Amino acid sequence: DAKTTQPPSMDCAEGRAANLPCNHSTISGNEYVYWYRQIHSQGPQYIIHGLKNNETNEMASLIITEDRKSSTLILPHATLRDTAVYYCIVRVLGGSYIPTFGRGTSLIVHP
Amino acid sequence: NAGVTQTPKFRVLKTGQSMTLLCAQDMNHEYMYWYRQDPGMGLRLIHYSVGEGTTAKGEVPDGYNVSRLKKQNFLLGLESAAPSQTSVYFCASSYSWWSQGRDGNQPQHFGDGTRLSIL
Repeated sequence: DAKTTQPPSMDCAEGRAANLPCNHSTISGNEYVYWYRQIHSQGPQYIIHGLKNNETNEMASLIITEDRKSSTLILPHATLRDTAVYYCIVRVLGGSYIPTFGRGTSLIVHP
Repeated sequence: NAGVTQTPKFRVLKTGQSMTLLCAQDMNHEYMYWYRQDPGMGLRLIHYSVGEGTTAKGEVPDGYNVSRLKKQNFLLGLESAAPSQTSVYFCASSYSWWSQGRDGNQPQHFGDGTRLSIL
């Protein structure tokens, strides 16, 4: 399986940028990197995805390294409502195509 | 603007009882999924469906059955509930399978979960 490694927890001051890292060293050339987040007691919410170019949308920016072995999700101006668990996901290798959600990173945004 | 709706939101069962969780989506999605999430854990895929009338096993299918008789509904059944099945269950749907869209832009849409306790 294509595994991802994320720090279990991070914190960030409100108004500052939150940079959430993800390692995916076994990613293959045609696999996408997806980011989701899960706010307490809610279902996961799609944030952004990318293949090899950096991506930006209204929620966040995704920076993927040139070798594609790691990526960073950037929340440019974190708010208290961004406190959530953030999941970095890549498509599973081996043809099983079952998306895997790991434990993610618990981001706490404090005042 | 319903998206994915799960019914019920909460339920308490006794060991051995049976029940069915309902997931309904109004986005005309082909793919639907059932996950469970235990405290401190990520989501684990139980079963999924790639279209009306079809279902397949995920990572943790034992003790569960599913049916997809209508495109918009995906049912998860527990025939004989066990305490180990105490969990939060999430349903999701997507237009196509994950990153196999034209540009990978086929994210899953999730419901708000069903909290199930089995005593």
